[in-house]
Amino acid sequence: RKEVEQDPGPFNVPEGATVAFNCTYSNSASQSFFWYRQDCRKEPKLLMSVYSSGNEDGRFTAQLNRASQYISLLIRDSKLSDSATYLCVVNPHAGNMLTFGGGTRLMVKP
Amino acid sequence: ETGVTQSPTHLIKTRGQQVTLRCSSQSGHNTVSWYQQALGQGPQFIFQYYREEENGRGNFPPRFSGLQFPNYSSELNVNALELDDSALYLCASSPGTAYTDTQYFGPGTRLTVL
Repeated sequence: RKEVEQDPGPFNVPEGATVAFNCTYSNSASQSFFWYRQDCRKEPKLLMSVYSSGNEDGRFTAQLNRASQYISLLIRDSKLSDSATYLCVVNPHAGNMLTFGGGTRLMVKP
Repeated sequence: ETGVTQSPTHLIKTRGQQVTLRCSSQSGHNTVSWYQQALGQGPQFIFQYYREEENGRGNFPPRFSGLQFPNYSSELNVNALELDDSALYLCASSPGTAYTDTQYFGPGTRLTVL
């Protein structure tokens, strides 16, 4: 079983739609959680950290469920510029050596 | 921009050769981590350097080795290249090794092994 699992997609949605991504992780002792965004052939960029209390940044909302070992990302009012691969990232250690999921590809269409 | 730079941008090598990739960390950052990203997959952790010492290593063979210099820049060396080593190699710098220290990625080096 992979340490971090994501649905690879692609998710094809129209502009303005709401889309949700989920991921699960296997190490219950994991310390920190993130969503990164990666555009085609570019480096990953931090989108947001994920906390148990949930956190929101504009159109993006992230949620962590430690009991179920499940992380979610909700994107509201999708824009064409949201088209990218979204990487679920878990830090399974006390340090910061990151474990990435395989990514979920989002394509927003006009 | 993150301030993390990598060189070269692209590289083509043949099986059995050796390669060195370079990374300059963001100012004020003392930790560099290296990741390998094969096509269509998420990045995989190779190793991390903190203040010139290896601080942790992923599931990669010994032919993957690294160095960190006093200015905290870093090198990744791969010996005896195999076809499966073809990937995007990413370095990330952070201000420390705590789980609260965010990693900032460089643009990557795309390695093709023929």
